[in-house]
Amino acid sequence: AQTVTQSQPEMSVQEAETVTLSCTYDTSESNYYLFWYKQPPSRQMILVIRQEAYKQQNATENRFSVNFQKAAKSFSLKISDSQLGDTAMYFCAFMNPPLTSGTYKYIFGTGTRLKVLA
Amino acid sequence: EPEVTQTPSHQVTQMGQEVILRCVPISNHLYFYWYRQILGQKVEFLVSFYNNEISEKSEIFDDQFSVERPDGSNFTLKIRSTKLEDSAMYFCASSEVSLKQYFGPGTRLTVT
Repeated sequence: AQTVTQSQPEMSVQEAETVTLSCTYDTSESNYYLFWYKQPPSRQMILVIRQEAYKQQNATENRFSVNFQKAAKSFSLKISDSQLGDTAMYFCAFMNPPLTSGTYKYIFGTGTRLKVLA
Repeated sequence: EPEVTQTPSHQVTQMGQEVILRCVPISNHLYFYWYRQILGQKVEFLVSFYNNEISEKSEIFDDQFSVERPDGSNFTLKIRSTKLEDSAMYFCASSEVSLKQYFGPGTRLTVT
C-alpha cells in the first residue's frame, strides 16, 4: 500500500525567507502523481503544485517549487519569499492512476503546520 | 471560478442519530468524492462515486455510510447511526476526467 510521510509536524519561517517542507512516500508503482495542498485556517484545501512522476523536471508555480527525487521517493516543497498568507497546514499527497474505474483518490500525509512570522 | 459548496458548515448531532451531509459539486464534473479529517490528523479518503455508483471505498466506509446523488446536482453522504468517532471534518470533492480534484470548504460534524 502506498504511504506518505511528512516528518515535520510544525515549522516556522520569517516573512520573505525561504522554507522547505519535506515529504517522502512509498510505492511500487512507476506511474503516479504527487501534490502539495494548502489548508489555511478557513479550512478549504487549495492545490499548490502538482508533479507527474514521469517528468524529470521539477514543477514550479510562482514562489512554490518542488524537489522531486524519484529514486529516493522524496518530494519536498520550497516556498520562496514567504508571505503571511502562506500560513497554513500543508499536505503532501500521492495519487495512482486508476486501473479500471477512472476514479482517482488521494493518499495524504499527516501535514506540516507552517507559520510565517512577521 | 466555479466552486464546490457544502452544507451545513457545522453539524452537531447526538450519538446514534442519522446525519446527511450535502455537497454541490461543480456542474460539469463527473467524479465525486468524500474525504474526512479527524481533528489534528490527516485527510483520509472515504469513497468515490461515478456514473451513479460507488467506484471505490475505503475501510472506513462501512455499512453505516452511504452516498447518493439524488437529483443530478447534489451529492450526499449519510451516516446512519453516528458514533463519537465520526466527529471530523468531512470534505466533498469533484473532478472532471482530469487529475485535479476541487475540494469544498468542509462540514464539521460533532457527535456528542
